[in-house]
Amino acid sequence: DARVTQTPRHKVTEMGQEVTMRCQPILGHNTVFWYRQTMMQGLELLAYFRNRAPLDDSGMPKDRFSAEMPDATLATLKIQPSEPRDSAVYFCASGLWGDRRNTEAFFGQGTRLTVV
Amino acid sequence: AQSVTQLGSHVSVSEGALVLLRCNYSSSVPPYLFWYVQYPNQGLQLLLKYTSAATLVKGINGFEAEFKKSETSFHLTKPSAHMSDAAEYFCAGLLNAGNMLTFGGGTRLMVKP
Repeated sequence: DARVTQTPRHKVTEMGQEVTMRCQPILGHNTVFWYRQTMMQGLELLAYFRNRAPLDDSGMPKDRFSAEMPDATLATLKIQPSEPRDSAVYFCASGLWGDRRNTEAFFGQGTRLTVV
Repeated sequence: AQSVTQLGSHVSVSEGALVLLRCNYSSSVPPYLFWYVQYPNQGLQLLLKYTSAATLVKGINGFEAEFKKSETSFHLTKPSAHMSDAAEYFCAGLLNAGNMLTFGGGTRLMVKP
């Protein structure tokens, strides 16, 4: 049963520390998204990749956030330094974009980040 | 601006009653539209999608949605609510032949016994 895997599921860290969240997209998917979910803002798109190349990261605070795909099986989202306002659930999703009829995004279980 | 709007952040129905969750979109080209469900502490799961074939789309768990171009709507319905339907529901769209999946603000469905 193919699924998007995110690690860790939960992370509690102190303000100022670096946080790295990892995502293993479904094998064969060419598009990876990072979303952040909070009560106040709902689902926000932070960044997305197509064939490992970043297409849009305009939703991401550039001074502290970075997203990469070192290879096709791993996407990472880093926050350095972390701040309490970064506390949220971060979702990774992957999909096979190209033929819109078959387009859909498959979501991971999320990483719940708490910055104290 | 291209967008997806969900009317009503909270909807409450009685068990056995009709469920209607509203979604409207704004797009300059025919959109592809999706409904996702999120249970507590879970990721989003696809309920159904519209990709320009049949305008009435049937999904999992007895849900369906109808694409109405004249009303720019894609409302989600279920004839009879079950307690297990309590969750948050998101409407999303691929708008303007774009690459991004744009989400609405979500609607939390509560089901009363």
